[in-house]
Amino acid sequence: NAGVMQNPRHLVRRRGQEARLRCSPMKGHSHVYWYRQLPEEGLKFMVYLQKENIIDESGMPKERFSAEFPKEGPSILRIQQVVRGDSAAYFCASSQDYDQPQHFGDGTRLSIL
Amino acid sequence: DAKTTQPTSMDCAEGRAANLPCNHSTISGNEYVYWYRQIHSQGPQYIIHGLKNNETNEMASLIITEDRKSSTLILPHATLRDTAVYYCIASRQAGTALIFGKGTTLSVSS
Repeated sequence: NAGVMQNPRHLVRRRGQEARLRCSPMKGHSHVYWYRQLPEEGLKFMVYLQKENIIDESGMPKERFSAEFPKEGPSILRIQQVVRGDSAAYFCASSQDYDQPQHFGDGTRLSIL
Repeated sequence: DAKTTQPTSMDCAEGRAANLPCNHSTISGNEYVYWYRQIHSQGPQYIIHGLKNNETNEMASLIITEDRKSSTLILPHATLRDTAVYYCIASRQAGTALIFGKGTTLSVSS
């Protein structure tokens, strides 16, 4: 039973570049959540998606960040024109249905040079 | 979602039971108590959740007081691999963001 798969595990970008983080949910899961963990801080919710729909994006920064979960393929968190403050661990979670527990991947560590 | 309060840190001897407390005095009737843990550099791991009845699974037991204002996560026989940060979260079950606080750092030693 494969868990939530995130790739890459580590990503290095220079300021101004784009970062694309991928998340493949557990088999049979159609709900995806993205969280961000800044150094020495707790996880903060960013966005909740269900296939092809954004359900809740209340935690997403207003600019440069976007997320999608297409009908086919993984969920993508995209950060345009990255800045040093975007350096963090980004975690994806999935659930089978809206009322089931969320299960997390091991994250993507994003470092901005 | 209701705020939760947990001790900053706890120690436990290997093989003994680890009892991790959590206060959630403002929890509302439709909020569940979830427990997750995060081992260094890994993603949070779901442990257990409950509404008002005590729950048990292969990992742990969850004891919720009758007034639902507090709960205790019990790891019956702690091992070194249980060393982690444990998060208690009160949340509506239906597709909502989990709000992670600072959690309790549990250190299990031999």
